[in-house]
Amino acid sequence: DQQVKQNSPSLSVQEGRISILNCDYTNSMFDYFLWYKKYPAEGPTFLISISSIKDKNEDGRFTVFLNKSAKHLSLHIVPSQPGDSAVYFCAASAGGIQGAQKLVFGQGTRLTINP
Amino acid sequence: GAVVSQHPSRVICKSGTSVKIECRSLDFQATTMFWYRQFPKKSLMLMATSNEGSKATYEQGVEKDKFLINHASLTLSTLTVTSAHPEDSSFYICSARDTLSGANVLTFGAGSRLTVL
Repeated sequence: DQQVKQNSPSLSVQEGRISILNCDYTNSMFDYFLWYKKYPAEGPTFLISISSIKDKNEDGRFTVFLNKSAKHLSLHIVPSQPGDSAVYFCAASAGGIQGAQKLVFGQGTRLTINP
Repeated sequence: GAVVSQHPSRVICKSGTSVKIECRSLDFQATTMFWYRQFPKKSLMLMATSNEGSKATYEQGVEKDKFLINHASLTLSTLTVTSAHPEDSSFYICSARDTLSGANVLTFGAGSRLTVL
């Protein structure tokens, strides 16, 4: 049972354009969502997060949008840069910011930024 | 920021042998660490929660006798793959949360790629 789904295994975007990565979840108990970025042979690194009490969180070029009714979140990267090429994982947890630390991950989306 | 070190990064072993992977929090104490496994082109799957000074909590379907976890100190957790078989070949990643940094942000190690011949 895949509780967090990233239905696009890969995405290719031209440098300077907007990259939009999508994530869907099924567990209504999830109340904290994170995006991680992973380079080959490295562990994931935290990118940005959002609590269920918000519908948008922005940090520089990265913005995460949350639609609770649709159980959907997305990560927007604008403008996209070649260094953004990596695998992006969506993750979710229940129990709030200081609550449960167990993360459920999506399958990941490989983003390629073309010069 | 918080750093989690994992060792070894790569290990090749013969079938039937045991392999130990170490996970250290370098600049913070972690009462809880998490071990994940990643299959090719798949998501990170939580294997177990490692608790300092007590037994690990394993996720459903994970063999506790196969994957031994020891969390003897606030900065070190080890995962031992016992009697390894080729199907145990995978990318194993540990993580920990620096409670002082706030939020529900896990810091991950660089991972250990295990290849069982």
